[in-house]
Amino acid sequence: NAGVTQTPKFQVLKTGQSMTLQCAQDMNHEYMSWYRQDPGMGLRLIHYSVGAGITDQGEVPNGYNVSRSTTEDFPLRLLSAAPSQTSVYFCASLRPGIAEAFFGQGTRLTVV
Amino acid sequence: AQSVTQLDSQVPVFEEAPVELRCNYSSSVSVYLFWYVQYPNQGLQLLLKYLSGSTLVKGINGFEAEFNKSQTSFHLRKPSVHISDTAEYFCAVSDYGNKLVFGAGTILRVKS
Repeated sequence: NAGVTQTPKFQVLKTGQSMTLQCAQDMNHEYMSWYRQDPGMGLRLIHYSVGAGITDQGEVPNGYNVSRSTTEDFPLRLLSAAPSQTSVYFCASLRPGIAEAFFGQGTRLTVV
Repeated sequence: AQSVTQLDSQVPVFEEAPVELRCNYSSSVSVYLFWYVQYPNQGLQLLLKYLSGSTLVKGINGFEAEFNKSQTSFHLRKPSVHISDTAEYFCAVSDYGNKLVFGAGTILRVKS
């Protein structure tokens, strides 16, 4: 049972480049979310989805897009990377009703 | 909306000493509460959770936490820490829904 799989694990981008962080889960959870982790700030919610075709903004959505075409996949897109988006990104799948989160291993993104 | 305050950004403690990591939350409704641990360069792992019932919750690795509704607190404790407990600890709250909100984290440094 793979749980939540994130790719890539590491990425370096130049300012203005675009990329997609992939996230897939095999637990059939409807709710998925993306967080970014920065020192001293904990995990901040970027976007979340309550099911296929439904997404919404979290606390820090600017500069990021998401879509949810299937229950399993929830990619995060950076359209034009900025140095302020240098961070560690975590995808999470939430167990229904109690919001217990299962996390991917994270993507360490550096924007230069 | 919910929010979480972790009162200490870093807690240094000697090996075999007791430790308490403090967490306060705010919410307009009843909540579920969680503690997660993140070891260096790893993802997040669930330590323990409070959903209902007994206010004293036991988790993995000898940790426990007490839910105090009147003080809106969920402090994490361990009677005797080990070097291997060195990590960052996150308190999180969910309002029965699907959103999980995290605190800023507390770095526990165990010294020999």
